[in-house]
Amino acid sequence: AQSVAQPEDQVNVAEGNPLTVKCTYSVSGNPYLFWYVQYPNRGLQFLLKYITGDNLVKGSYGFEAEFNKSQTSFHLKKPSALVSDSALYFCAVRDIGDTGNQFYFGTGTSLTVIP
Amino acid sequence: DVKVTQSSRYLVKRTGEKVFLECVQDMDHENMFWYRQDPGLGLRLIYFSYDVKMKEKGDIPEGYSVSREKKERFSLILESASTNQTSMYLCASSLYYTDTQYFGPGTRLTVL
Repeated sequence: AQSVAQPEDQVNVAEGNPLTVKCTYSVSGNPYLFWYVQYPNRGLQFLLKYITGDNLVKGSYGFEAEFNKSQTSFHLKKPSALVSDSALYFCAVRDIGDTGNQFYFGTGTSLTVIP
Repeated sequence: DVKVTQSSRYLVKRTGEKVFLECVQDMDHENMFWYRQDPGLGLRLIYFSYDVKMKEKGDIPEGYSVSREKKERFSLILESASTNQTSMYLCASSLYYTDTQYFGPGTRLTVL
């Protein structure tokens, strides 16, 4: 069965400091991995994805994520946090070999960047 | 840019009412999805559609039905609304089923 875990409900970081939002996944085959961001009262916006290739993926707004197959992780990172990065972040996974059409989303991590 | 629109941002209905949530996408995407979002539970898939008139159940289809008569439009129907269906409902679309999903702004439904 596919699943994704975001172990931290809440992450606080000072403006200008590096930030990390954690995601681990479980699939039987190879994963497609995505990060989305949700600002208050808005839908989800795509940040970045890993399909294949380079393990370090760069995305929108200066975010990047590193695919680590041995640790089954896909942590979201940014070198210098902005107050405007404060939002809810979702990781999502799909098994490449799955014949179904589902993505599985984590429960979300609320990021607060403190001025 | 892909645009996914939802018919209402906020909706208040009474228990037992039939509720229609509409979603329209303008990028000729094959796949459309309905999720509900609840605090601490993340996004849960209710139904998805991979073609006109085609649909498949997601994780929590009970109490819901869907309709896709045209490629750009995907409707979620609550046959008889109940208070436990109070939630944020998100519609999404994608070109391929493995591809990035584009989300609408969401409809916050309250059932009294």
